[in-house]
Amino acid sequence: DTEVTQTPKHLVMGMTNKKSLKCEQHMGHRAMYWYKQKAKKPPELMFVYSYEKLSINESVPSRFSPECPNSSLLNLHLHALQPEDSALYLCASSSNTEAFFGQGTRLTVV
Amino acid sequence: RKEVEQDPGPFNVPEGATVAFNCTYSNSASQSFFWYRQDCRKEPKLLMSVYSSGNEDGRFTAQLNRASQYISLLIRDSKLSDSATYLCVVNGGRAGTALIFGKGTTLSVSS
Repeated sequence: DTEVTQTPKHLVMGMTNKKSLKCEQHMGHRAMYWYKQKAKKPPELMFVYSYEKLSINESVPSRFSPECPNSSLLNLHLHALQPEDSALYLCASSSNTEAFFGQGTRLTVV
Repeated sequence: RKEVEQDPGPFNVPEGATVAFNCTYSNSASQSFFWYRQDCRKEPKLLMSVYSSGNEDGRFTAQLNRASQYISLLIRDSKLSDSATYLCVVNGGRAGTALIFGKGTTLSVSS
């Protein structure tokens, strides 16, 4: 199973809403990532979890809150987002020799 | 120096052409190297891992030069279906360190 599963695939939320993005992998990878990708740009790193601990936070606004409940799951909690936060949010997991992405959640903030 | 730099592109080539993409990385401790392909509005998908000895998969050949901190991807006999953005991705060099992306090179193959 070389799959990273992200839910939901699409999300439309208002600026006052609270929502969560979910990511799951069962490859035994101990590093998991959240990336944000705007159109025609490469993915931009947001957070890295290594062995369930937050190891990198790329100065992401606090309206984005990551959580890693266990080695297979990664969540991204969203609160009070802005329209400019609309993007494709990608989850990835990796070992030292391989890395896979989920299909992403396409988020629209209205 | 940026962590991962790629040819800016775009590359516009006819079917059957051979095209090469280059990528340099700044962290000499990096251990893992990948080429990803991303189609419009889709997630990046692993095309090839890049090994020190170089590796080939059909029409695709990847090379790694650790001394020069340089990775390449060669595509032979280009197909229309090869049109995509190709992303060079480097592991930061420590276990669990982030995957660092180049800005990507866009390839357009025309008939």
